[in-house]
Amino acid sequence: ETGVTQTPRHLVMGMTNKKSLKCEQHLGHNAMYWYKQSAKKPLELMFVYNFKEQTENNSVPSRFSPECPNSSHLFLHLHTLQPEDSALYLCASTPEASSSGANVLTFGAGSRLTVL
Amino acid sequence: SQKIEQNSEALNIQEGKTATLTCNYTNYSPAYLQWYRQDPGRGPVFLLLIRENEKEKRKERLKVTFDTTLKQSLFHITASQPADSATYLCALATGANNLFFGTGTRLTVIP
Repeated sequence: ETGVTQTPRHLVMGMTNKKSLKCEQHLGHNAMYWYKQSAKKPLELMFVYNFKEQTENNSVPSRFSPECPNSSHLFLHLHTLQPEDSALYLCASTPEASSSGANVLTFGAGSRLTVL
Repeated sequence: SQKIEQNSEALNIQEGKTATLTCNYTNYSPAYLQWYRQDPGRGPVFLLLIRENEKEKRKERLKVTFDTTLKQSLFHITASQPADSATYLCALATGANNLFFGTGTRLTVIP
């Protein structure tokens, strides 16, 4: 409904699995973001892509690997995760990643990840 | 260190009253401040943006104030309704390409 669609909505994986989260936006935006939301913690920015180029990597462990093949699609590839990586992963988009800070984010509904 | 604090984790209020949520920050010089609403199982939804040179912003029953001297923003919902029950997040935008979020306040409006 927001124009940002995330799949799957729920994912359970073991620590040795490889899985991917997908995000697609139909808003014509050029910037896409991955955020992590853990219980009782603020949203943590993970990655920013602006016109398909990665412009921000917020010291995210390499077991999380983003991919942005075009301005409408964003993936988060997951490999050998830890139980503490269990969280809600939110994708968002903006018209572009403005350095003026006026980035009003449109979020997807999130992918709830559980790592066993 | 930089910190954003939202006054309480949870706030209960009677229907029809004005709900006031607080966002305090330290060690930031925000150019903008934003408020989002998040319902269970959903992503945050943008509500209002206020710039550093603006004192107040209104949208229907919502009002946001921004005091850069006190380093505080207040978010008001007047004539609150049970449908206003949700978690409300404040977020600061600095000159850089990033938004820093608070942990949120869970508002419950009791009929």
